Amino acid sequence: DAGVIQSPRHEVTEMGQEVTLRCKPISGHNSLFWYRQTMMRGLELLIYFNNNVPIDDSGMPEDRFSAKMPNASFSTLKIQPSEPRDSAVYFCASSFPQRGGWTTDTQYFGPGTRLTVL
Amino acid sequence: AQSVTQPDIHITVSEGASLELRCNYSYGATPYLFWYVQSPGQGLQLLLKYFSGDTLVQGIKGFEAEFKRSQSSFNLRKPSVHWSDAAEYFCAVGAGAAGNKLTFGGGTRVLVKP
Repeated sequence: DAGVIQSPRHEVTEMGQEVTLRCKPISGHNSLFWYRQTMMRGLELLIYFNNNVPIDDSGMPEDRFSAKMPNASFSTLKIQPSEPRDSAVYFCASSFPQRGGWTTDTQYFGPGTRLTVL
Repeated sequence: AQSVTQPDIHITVSEGASLELRCNYSYGATPYLFWYVQSPGQGLQLLLKYFSGDTLVQGIKGFEAEFKRSQSSFNLRKPSVHWSDAAEYFCAVGAGAAGNKLTFGGGTRVLVKP
């Protein structure tokens, strides 16, 4: 199992440019999550999908951020236009429903994309 | 809204000594609670989780955690640390369906002295 795959691993861009981060969840997982990690704010949930449908995007900081999941094996997080305060590590995670009823899903995290906006 | 506090930003422990990391949460309902570990440059890996039942939870790598409702705590312990345990540890509380919406604490960075 390849785990959650994120690309690119590192991205350096200039303020005002469009940035697209990509995520491939673990095959068979039906929930996908985008997180942002910064020194100031720690780890924050931005948005999550269930069966390709956005369920909760209350963590998306502003309209410059958008996320899509066109199919079960691919998701993107786009920032347009980017700003220096968007510099962070962005994590994608996926999970699948546990069998047997009363339990909770384990989220499996990708290695992250380190974004630097100059 | 839920919140998680990890009072210790850094902890230094000698190899072979015991380790305890503190976590306090605030949540209006029965919480789903998690501990994750993050090694430098890596994503997060689940150590253990609690949602009901026995309040002492066993996890991977020899870690355990105890849920204490009266203290709103979910402290992580390991009897004898190894140099490979040096990492950052995050406590999280899950809300929503199946505890999917995670709120993380600020993390505790553990340094292991030889």
